[in-house]
Amino acid sequence: DIVMTQSPDSLAVSLGERATFSCKSSQSVLHSSNNNNYLAWYQQKPGQPPKVVIYWASTRESGVPDRFSGSGSGTDFTLTISSLQAEDVAVYYCQQYYSAPFTFGPGTKVDIK
Amino acid sequence: EVQLVESGGGLVQTGRSLRLSCAASGFTFADYGMHWVRQRPGKGLEWVSGITWNGGPIGYADSVKGRFIISRDNAKNSLYLQMNSPRDEDTALYYCAKAHDSSGFGPGDYWGQGTLVTVSS
Repeated sequence: DIVMTQSPDSLAVSLGERATFSCKSSQSVLHSSNNNNYLAWYQQKPGQPPKVVIYWASTRESGVPDRFSGSGSGTDFTLTISSLQAEDVAVYYCQQYYSAPFTFGPGTKVDIK
Repeated sequence: EVQLVESGGGLVQTGRSLRLSCAASGFTFADYGMHWVRQRPGKGLEWVSGITWNGGPIGYADSVKGRFIISRDNAKNSLYLQMNSPRDEDTALYYCAKAHDSSGFGPGDYWGQGTLVTVSS
């Protein structure tokens, strides 16, 4: 199974500042046939189901603000919120969908400083 | 509007069986893969199982392999999870999610609100 790790466990950022956090996979999730990274980022707010914000490592889901961006390839990925807003407070999970089981990382909790 | 409504959760004794259902509407159900994802109280997300548009299982989490069975009925726009021999550690909120494409090899782009399963001896 592919093991996903995330860092940090939590971070607090001032409103309007940049938030950056990391996701690593134990093996590459880059598919050679189509050059896509099978990696998604989800946002989960308390009491709500998760919401996908980024897929294919860097494609923003429809309706997601452009302050969210994803980068990385192979085994190392980053989610960046360029200017943190109050509504971005949530836990962020990465997930690989390269091979079953489609494992999630443990999450990074983002708060306002 | 895409809607996913899970049902079938509740209190179940260890070792008894339970079947979860997910009723889908607002999209052509037969065109998309589907997933089950669970979340234990206060914990992170765990992918449980996925299925392709035509009913081929994508796989199972190691923790449920051999005990849970995923299936779907495209005529009824419904997804199912048969939970056999449940254990205490299967206590969780179970979400169904629509996959981004037909193969199921994609993220969940729409999610239900979940159905809570509590396993107790």
